[in-house]
Amino acid sequence: GAGVSQSPSNKVTEKGKDVELRCDPISGHTALYWYRQSLGQGLEFLIYFQGNSAPDKSGLPSDRFSAERTGGSVSTLTIQRTQQEDSAVYLCASSLEAGTNTEAFFGQGTRLTVV
Amino acid sequence: SQQGEEDPQALSIQEGENATMNCSYKTSINNLQWYRQNSGRGLVHLILIRSNEREKHSGRLRVTLDTSKKSSSLLITASRAADTASYFCATEYLNNTDKLIFGTGTRLQVFP
Repeated sequence: GAGVSQSPSNKVTEKGKDVELRCDPISGHTALYWYRQSLGQGLEFLIYFQGNSAPDKSGLPSDRFSAERTGGSVSTLTIQRTQQEDSAVYLCASSLEAGTNTEAFFGQGTRLTVV
Repeated sequence: SQQGEEDPQALSIQEGENATMNCSYKTSINNLQWYRQNSGRGLVHLILIRSNEREKHSGRLRVTLDTSKKSSSLLITASRAADTASYFCATEYLNNTDKLIFGTGTRLQVFP
């Protein structure tokens, strides 16, 4: 596709269940980011993949959160044993390569609601 | 946290007026970028200014960067109601991962 694609657009889940959020970056983009945005707030950095380098996981809020990127393309963010405070919009972005002064392109996000 | 800070948090102006938003950050950067967000979903890139640049223009947008003060400003001239949105600065930090970190954002409301 032409842009960053995220699925699902919306997800409602029960507290304690696991969820998987998917991100399809723009083809050829080696950098991929996940952010979390609570209502009316800024973007909280979660994790960053750059090519074949080890991902920067410094923003993951707890060990219930994990992410992987298969084949340098599609990425999945997994939240285990969801809690109500996990409710937020999860945004994915990709760019050509970090450190090369290029812009990031964002998907439309997944709105996660934990009930 | 490396997150930048923006001020004001919210700004309300009339159409035709100029809007100025400021961003401060904490450590050395490769570049600073400004993004716009409508309705709490995907962000759209507006402009990128490199660490060795001091000012950049794009249409009605003017961005300045002062690396000695670790700050940037975004000026929107002759604002329109359609400019109503949240605006975020983002910095690509000089470190071993070069990740992109966003500020807290400014909510701009332009009244017709």
